Amino acid sequence: RKEVEQDPGPFNVPEGATVAFNCTYSNSASQSFFWYRQDCRKEPKLLMSVYSSGNEDGRFTAQLNRASQYISLLIRDSKLSDSATYLCVVNGGNFNKFYFGSGTKLNVKP
Amino acid sequence: DAGVTQSPTHLIKTRGQHVTLRCSPISGHKSVSWYQQVLGQGPQFIFQYYEKEERGRGNFPDRFSARQFPNYSSELNVNALLLGDSALYLCASSLTLLRDEKLFFGSGTQLSVL
Repeated sequence: RKEVEQDPGPFNVPEGATVAFNCTYSNSASQSFFWYRQDCRKEPKLLMSVYSSGNEDGRFTAQLNRASQYISLLIRDSKLSDSATYLCVVNGGNFNKFYFGSGTKLNVKP
Repeated sequence: DAGVTQSPTHLIKTRGQHVTLRCSPISGHKSVSWYQQVLGQGPQFIFQYYEKEERGRGNFPDRFSARQFPNYSSELNVNALLLGDSALYLCASSLTLLRDEKLFFGSGTQLSVL
């Protein structure tokens, strides 16, 4: 079983739509969780950390459910510039290992 | 301030050859990690170094090795290249080894093995 699993998509949505991505992780000892964004042929960039209490950054909201080992990312009012691959990242329980999901591709259409 | 820099940006090698990839972390960052990203997949952890010592190793064969220098820059070496080693190799730097430490990636080295 993979450490981190994501729906690969693609999610094709119109501008202004709300879209949600999910991610599950297998290691119950994991302590740190992140969403990274990766544009085509570019390096991943941190979008936001994910905290147990949930956190919001503008149009982006991240949630963590430790009991179900599940992480989500909600994007409201989608922009064309949100088109990218979103990577779910989980610390492997050992502080020096991070596991990436395969990514969920988002296409925002005009 | 400069971000994470990697060299070369692109590399073409043939099977059986050896390759060395280089990474300079963000100034002040003491930890460097290496990741392999095959097309269509997420990055896979190869190594992490902190203060010149290996602190973590992923599930990669012994053909892969790395080291970190006193100035915190790092090299990733791959021996006896296989076609399957073709990938984007990403270097990430972080300030420390804390669990919630954010990773800052370089733009990567695209390795093609023919």
